[in-house]
Order: sequence, then C-alpha cells, then structure tokens
Amino acid sequence: DIQMTQSPSSLSASVGDRVTITCRASQSISDYLNWYQQKPGKAPKLLIYAASSLQSGVPSRFSGSGSGTDFTLTISSLQPEDFATYSCQQSYSTPRTFGQGTKLEIK
Amino acid sequence: QVQLQESGPGLVKPSETLSLTCTVSGGSVTSGNYYWSWIRQPPGKGLEWIGYIYYSGSTDYNPSLKSRVTISVDTSKNQFSLKLSSVTAADTAVYYCASDFHYYDSSGYFYYFDYWGQGTLVTVSS
Repeated sequence: DIQMTQSPSSLSASVGDRVTITCRASQSISDYLNWYQQKPGKAPKLLIYAASSLQSGVPSRFSGSGSGTDFTLTISSLQPEDFATYSCQQSYSTPRTFGQGTKLEIK
Repeated sequence: QVQLQESGPGLVKPSETLSLTCTVSGGSVTSGNYYWSWIRQPPGKGLEWIGYIYYSGSTDYNPSLKSRVTISVDTSKNQFSLKLSSVTAADTAVYYCASDFHYYDSSGYFYYFDYWGQGTLVTVSS
C-alpha cells in the first residue's frame, strides 16, 4: 500500500492568513493526488484533483501543486468557512489511501 | 447532480454481518465513467477505502478487509451494497458511499471521489 503522510497534523491560523498543508507519498504517484475538505459531522468534499485541478465550484483561493512524492494544498487567504480538516488521497493505485488529515483551527 | 444516500442498521452485534445499501439519484450506476465506492471513518480517525464496484460487477477491495467484504450492485434499483462479515468493535465507524469518477488524458486514468453520501454511523456492540 502507498502511505500518505500529511504535515502538520493540526494548524492554527487567522482569517486572511495564507496557509500551506503538505502531503508526502511513500512512493512516486506522479500527479495522482486529490485533496478533500471535511467539516465536523459532514462528508468530505472534493477540492482539488490531479494534484492541481480545481473542482468546479471550489473558490480560487484553494490551489494544489506537486508531483512525484511531495504535494501541497494552499489557501491564499483564509475565510471563516475554511476552518475544517483537510485530507489528501492518492489514486495512483489501489487500495486508494488517504492521509491522516490536517485540522485547521482558528487562532 | 448525483446524490447518494446510505441506509442500513446503525447497530450490529460482534461476529455478525454489517449490511449497508447506497441509493443513487440524479445519475445512473451504469454510467461508464464511475466506479462506486465504500469508504469508512472510525470516530476521530482518518478515512479508509473499503472497495469499489463497476456496473459490470467487477470489484476491487482493500486487502486489509478483502476476506470479509462483498460489494454488489443492483442496476434495476440504481443501488450498490456493502456486506462486511465477522465484525468487531474495530469496525465501528461512519460508513460513506461515494462515486469514484474517472477520466483519461495523455498521462493516464485519473480517479477522484466527487460525490459522497452523508454517511451513516455503524456501531458494533452487543
């Protein structure tokens, strides 16, 4: 299985801040990497697919980059509704695997 | 817009079989661009992919659960289902069904979970 490791596990930030979350794969996955946002008690929501493609309807303050083993999710200017948990997921091979999640909290 | 809804018992006894159904609306399980997946999330933990099915009936399961999992599809009802046998407390989780969209470009096939059900908590307890 491909292991996905996110850092940090939690992060405190303020509205308006620029935030970056990192995801590392245990082997090269090219750009087969997706990002999801999850709020408490809700299902995950797709933000980014294929490492850098923005899902329809997702605000442009979200962006993704990376290839191979190292990836980042960046939120350019945090909004109140962005405080949530973010998870990466590889689609290079099955079993599909997720990172452990990064909880983004209000400072 | 595709909508998915999980249904099934919220409480299962240890050693018994967990059974859930996902009803798809606004789309068809026979759509060639989709696999149909089950994903779970233990309380306070990360997401774990259980497996998927294609409308043809082909399946792929997480090796960690493969010996206990069966996913099936009923195209006449536009549903797909999960059975997980011999459950223990470690199987307590929120279970999600999700659509696993795929497309092809010059780099290969890309997959992502674009629609999710709301999730259903299944507790394993006597």
